[in-house]
Amino acid sequence: NAGVTQTPKFQVLKTGQSMTLQCAQDMNHNSMYWYRQDPGMGLRLIYYSASEGTTDKGEVPNGYNVSRLNKREFSLRLESAAPSQTSVYFCASSPAYDLGRSPLHFGNGTRLTVT
Amino acid sequence: GQQVMQIPQYQHVQEGEDFTTYCNSSTTLSNIQWYKQRPGGHPVFLIQLVKSGEVKKQKRLTFQFGEAKKNSSLHITATQTTDVGTYFCAPNNNAGNMLTFGGGTRLMVKP
Repeated sequence: NAGVTQTPKFQVLKTGQSMTLQCAQDMNHNSMYWYRQDPGMGLRLIYYSASEGTTDKGEVPNGYNVSRLNKREFSLRLESAAPSQTSVYFCASSPAYDLGRSPLHFGNGTRLTVT
Repeated sequence: GQQVMQIPQYQHVQEGEDFTTYCNSSTTLSNIQWYKQRPGGHPVFLIQLVKSGEVKKQKRLTFQFGEAKKNSSLHITATQTTDVGTYFCAPNNNAGNMLTFGGGTRLMVKP
């Protein structure tokens, strides 16, 4: 039982390049989330998906797109990477449709550097 | 929008001393969650508080939710080196249906 799996673990991009961060959960959770964490700071919500087929913007959605491919998978895409997007990206899932009312289970993170 | 402040940002303690972090919101909360993140790791859920005035304990950790449901605290008794990490509160005010995180309190324990 892997929980929440994120790939890749590390990535270095040049400004303007694109990439997709992958996330999959095997806990049959309904809701999935993407957060970013900058050094010494808290987590900021980028996008979330309350259920398969729906996605919504969080606090800092600009420069990102997401796809809830099925119940298990939720991907985050950077179309044209910028140095300001250098961060650690965490995917999370929770069982509830009602966001904020059940625990979040986090993946191990993707450390992204944009030069 | 929801304003939440977590204090202090950093805390150095000697092993065996107590530690408290506070989370204060400008709005009434529906519930609040607490997470711990070890250095280099990912956040791990600790607990959720829902009721006004609620107090929950996990071994040396005591969590409180204020009577007005606008603030919360996490108290660790007799810290150990295994307590090192950053503690985040995640308040939910039931508006916008998102879980946001406080800035965290980084705890360092000197052996």
